[in-house]
Amino acid sequence: DTGVSQDPRHKITKRGQNVTFRCDPISEHNRLYWYRQTLGQGPEFLTYFQNEAQLEKSRLLSDRFSAERPKGSFSTLEIQRTEQGDSAMYLCASSLLGERAHSPLHFGNGTRLTVT
Amino acid sequence: DQQVKQNSPSLSVQEGRISILNCDYTNSMFDYFLWYKKYPAEGPTFLISISSIKDKNEDGRFTVFLNKSAKHLSLHIVPSQPGDSAVYFCAASAVGGTYKYIFGTGTRLKVLA
Repeated sequence: DTGVSQDPRHKITKRGQNVTFRCDPISEHNRLYWYRQTLGQGPEFLTYFQNEAQLEKSRLLSDRFSAERPKGSFSTLEIQRTEQGDSAMYLCASSLLGERAHSPLHFGNGTRLTVT
Repeated sequence: DQQVKQNSPSLSVQEGRISILNCDYTNSMFDYFLWYKKYPAEGPTFLISISSIKDKNEDGRFTVFLNKSAKHLSLHIVPSQPGDSAVYFCAASAVGGTYKYIFGTGTRLKVLA
């Protein structure tokens, strides 16, 4: 179990640029989540995959945001035309759908995005 | 609409004493609750969970209590240690949903040596 891996750890970009983040979940986990966290707040749900299917997207996820999980393995989160309000920590988490419907999320260490 | 609330932004406790962190929720459909601990520059780490069919779950120094009628849960840490100093988040998930977890805003715990 190597844990959830996120890349890069930090990203500084200029407003208007596109950025892409990658998440590698724990290998046997079939659920993958993206969350966003800003200072003083808890993680806010963005989107969720079960295998390769994106099952839910938050209203927070504007048209500038897109996430994919090809082949149900790693996932990417792209933000187009970044805005200063996109500055946040982007967290990826995975879990295993098994006999128990609920299982804890295992988080990566996040990608901190700063938009200047 | 904050469905999961942690009304205490911070808490200080002496080493060796009990730490009690509280969480309230509004959605009666929530049926699974978790506590996470977060250190700076790291992702949240899962601590303990509880299903709505139980009112208590214990794991070592950590115990979670659930009061469904009050829509309230609490995390007890006994005895508290300096290494427990971190931000603690409660989270909840609803039956029949997509199993997304809604998080509270966190409580910063400081354990004083």
